[in-house]
Amino acid sequence: DTAVSQTPKYLVTQMGNDKSIKCEQNLGHDTMYWYKQDSKKFLKIMFSYNNKELIINETVPNRFSPKSPDKAHLNLHINSLELGDSAVYFCASSTGTDNSPLHFGNGTRLTVT
Amino acid sequence: AQTVTQSQPEMSVQEAETVTLSCTYDTSESDYYLFWYKQPPSRQMILVIRQEAYKQQNATENRFSVNFQKAAKSFSLKISDSQLGDAAMYFCAYGGYNNNDMRFGAGTRLTVKP
Repeated sequence: DTAVSQTPKYLVTQMGNDKSIKCEQNLGHDTMYWYKQDSKKFLKIMFSYNNKELIINETVPNRFSPKSPDKAHLNLHINSLELGDSAVYFCASSTGTDNSPLHFGNGTRLTVT
Repeated sequence: AQTVTQSQPEMSVQEAETVTLSCTYDTSESDYYLFWYKQPPSRQMILVIRQEAYKQQNATENRFSVNFQKAAKSFSLKISDSQLGDAAMYFCAYGGYNNNDMRFGAGTRLTVKP
């Protein structure tokens, strides 16, 4: 059983398009995250949701909109894609309590041409 | 905001030898948690080891151990008897008390030479 699954694994699209990445976790965790990993491998938090409520929004452009229909899902929608959006996007989840590590999905490599 | 610094962009080690990866962090909190994650070429993020700041004893997981120096805000990872499969990017991470905000260092790329 996949604990944190995100789809698609790869996404190639043109500038200006709108795309979504889906994430689901079956661990019963309360907190979910989106991280962006750039070409230099730097991992930066974008959003954090706890029980469907937005907790962290790290100076991410408004073109990025997370949606959490329930605590097991956190989808990421991106409008008007730009070249600089090319990166690997990781979804993760945790219990959100002390000492709980993040459980990561396998990442979505987004390439904007 | 908390920051995590990994000062070694790349490290290499001979198979079966020992290597230490450095990590420092900056925080004003007294309760927090520290983690090391491994990212092999498959890009999967794998938890290697974790340390609670309130514990003085250094965490150990098989060949992996940490040297946690709270006063110095230092959290290094020691890999003993290095194996080819240890080759990966290693990320140090800081988790606050409520753990809604986990911050990562820039990573260290470890190469293991046969």
